[in-house]
Amino acid sequence: QVQLQQSGPGLVKPSQTLSLTCVISGDSVSTYSDAWNWIRQSPSRGLEWLGRTYYRSKWYKDYAEAVKSRISINPDTPKNQFSLQLNSVTPEDTAVYYCARGRCATDSCHFDYWGQGTLVTVSS
Amino acid sequence: QSALTQPASVSGSPGQSITISCTGTSTDIGGYNSVSWYQQHPGKAPKLMIYDVSNRPSGVSNRFSGSKSGNTASLTISGLQAEDEADYYCTSYTSITTVVFGGGTKLTVL
Repeated sequence: QVQLQQSGPGLVKPSQTLSLTCVISGDSVSTYSDAWNWIRQSPSRGLEWLGRTYYRSKWYKDYAEAVKSRISINPDTPKNQFSLQLNSVTPEDTAVYYCARGRCATDSCHFDYWGQGTLVTVSS
Repeated sequence: QSALTQPASVSGSPGQSITISCTGTSTDIGGYNSVSWYQQHPGKAPKLMIYDVSNRPSGVSNRFSGSKSGNTASLTISGLQAEDEADYYCTSYTSITTVVFGGGTKLTVL
């Protein structure tokens, strides 16, 4: 049974960096058929895919255009986890953040396991 | 990339069938067989119900089915039950931004 356990602060000040970690159990961050994603949800923006990292002989990363200049998603193979860093946050980045396992092929992707969600509020 | 278009709400009585539509474009739904549907109860993470247009993950009731025609995908729930009351979201792979979500549909079981 795959489980994803998220951790990280629930309050971040404007202009600072949002950092979250997702620990994987029951699977490996390096599994060939998987991609490891961050998705957020807010009342104003709905569900929004932020980006992913995956291993196919080397590590790849894809990011949503809306956050591409501010985001970094990194795998940590020894700890079997991956992380999200979102720089220069504003109140617009206030949302529930989810990590999720993606079963992604060349032109398809769906998310079959999700973390529990972390409410991150951007406020001074 | 605009979100996929879903009705804001649908409703049905127990035992009835309902269908939720999800409309996109040729760069997402119309271009790929990669539509998936998620059920979300309040305060919970989304749960995968349908993937690749019409496939059900193990453990999902066969009362849930999916289809696609052109740029529109549909989720049908037959034999409505009280526990089906939730928000439902569609997603599609896209040529532009990898994955795009629908705006969500609130299902009310009367």
